[in-house]
Amino acid sequence: KAGVTQTPRYLIKTRGQQVTLSCSPISGHRSVSWYQQTPGQGLQFLFEYFSETQRNKGNFPGRFSGRQFSNSRSEMNVSTLELGDSALYLCASSPTVPGPTGELFFGEGSRLTVL
Amino acid sequence: AQRVTQPEKLLSVFKGAPVELKCNYSYSGSPELFWYVQYSRQRLQLLLRHISRESIKGFTADLNKGETSFHLKKPFAQEEDSAMYYCALYNTNAGKSTFGDGTTLTVKP
Repeated sequence: KAGVTQTPRYLIKTRGQQVTLSCSPISGHRSVSWYQQTPGQGLQFLFEYFSETQRNKGNFPGRFSGRQFSNSRSEMNVSTLELGDSALYLCASSPTVPGPTGELFFGEGSRLTVL
Repeated sequence: AQRVTQPEKLLSVFKGAPVELKCNYSYSGSPELFWYVQYSRQRLQLLLRHISRESIKGFTADLNKGETSFHLKKPFAQEEDSAMYYCALYNTNAGKSTFGDGTTLTVKP
């Protein structure tokens, strides 16, 4: 099976712009979650989707949003970018037997730099 | 609120020595705990899960509910074990995993 795929891998934006990151989960995984990884804050939970529904959201401002499509692919969007949004954004999918198991399979991440 | 604490940011041992990476958690429900590992230039990957009670790459971890700990242990460390290790707690109801800050393990020859 192909692993979790994230695109783009690297991107540079300027303050005030918006960005959309994409994640394709492992085939058959219906749960997708997103994490922000920074040297200072570690791995911070952004949100989790299961069967196109957002089940939980982390402590991030409304500028951070996401969605999941019927094929389980997910996107996250960050609007009005700030310098502090520079980070590695990780997507993880989880097998569902029948619900999410908590085992996370990570993508390589999308590294966002905000100038 | 759920919280995971890894008290050691850095841990260094010699090859062949035992290693223990500490993890403590706080959670009001029944915890599901995991260890993840990130080797240099590789993606973060699952190492082991407390429910499975298996040994992966010689590592084991026992859930101690009394001490709210889930320490990762290996009796004889190898150089290839050098990596960043994260302890994580999964909240089944919320679908949310909370990670510790991670411990960087260096195994010296």
